[in-house]
Amino acid sequence: DGGITQSPKYLFRKEGQNVTLSCEQNLNHDAMYWYRQDPGQGLRLIYYSQIVNDFQKGDIAEGYSVSREKKESFPLTVTSAQKNPTAFYLCASSAGQANTEAFFGQGTRLTVV
Amino acid sequence: AQKVTQAQTEISVVEKEDVTLDCVYETRDTTYYLFWYKQPPSGELVFLIRRNSFDEQNEISGRYSWNFQKSTSSFNFTITASQVVDSAVYFCALVDSNYQLIWGAGTKLIIKP
Repeated sequence: DGGITQSPKYLFRKEGQNVTLSCEQNLNHDAMYWYRQDPGQGLRLIYYSQIVNDFQKGDIAEGYSVSREKKESFPLTVTSAQKNPTAFYLCASSAGQANTEAFFGQGTRLTVV
Repeated sequence: AQKVTQAQTEISVVEKEDVTLDCVYETRDTTYYLFWYKQPPSGELVFLIRRNSFDEQNEISGRYSWNFQKSTSSFNFTITASQVVDSAVYFCALVDSNYQLIWGAGTKLIIKP
């Protein structure tokens, strides 16, 4: 079935460690997105990519990094520079046009221990 | 500035009641798109509806209906005869001229049996 797969579902990180969240899609979508969601909050855009080998910072990119080497994959690295990384992370993809909806993965819940 | 406001943080109703979730948006674009998404407790956002700025026709899908009014910049969502399975966080979103989704803060809907 077509869709977006995020892994892992739960992730624990020690302070000072970098961790990478995986996001894979088989929808042949050009655009991919990473959002952060804190408890009781809306979605905040971290990074987005509209084409392979290109990506743009969103509203809260500090302390995060991404790559887009393949159309299907858009991994997010939470670096040690991110001071408050505990959150729910959602990956999404879309055809990249204004009138097309985004499809979301099931999310990764990251906890710093 | 592009903005989406969902003033209702949380709504609680008893099963079978009708409930309306409000969404007010701001945009300077003449062509734009509005979306509603549902986020059940599992975390994955599910697309519900898309509406473009030229189509003010209201839409009904089963127990769900949407009222789009450009005059008041609103795109409200009504659930008729609510059910416990409707319990979720509902997000309204606007696509801006850069094809980016501008999200409302979400409304948490609690349906009590």
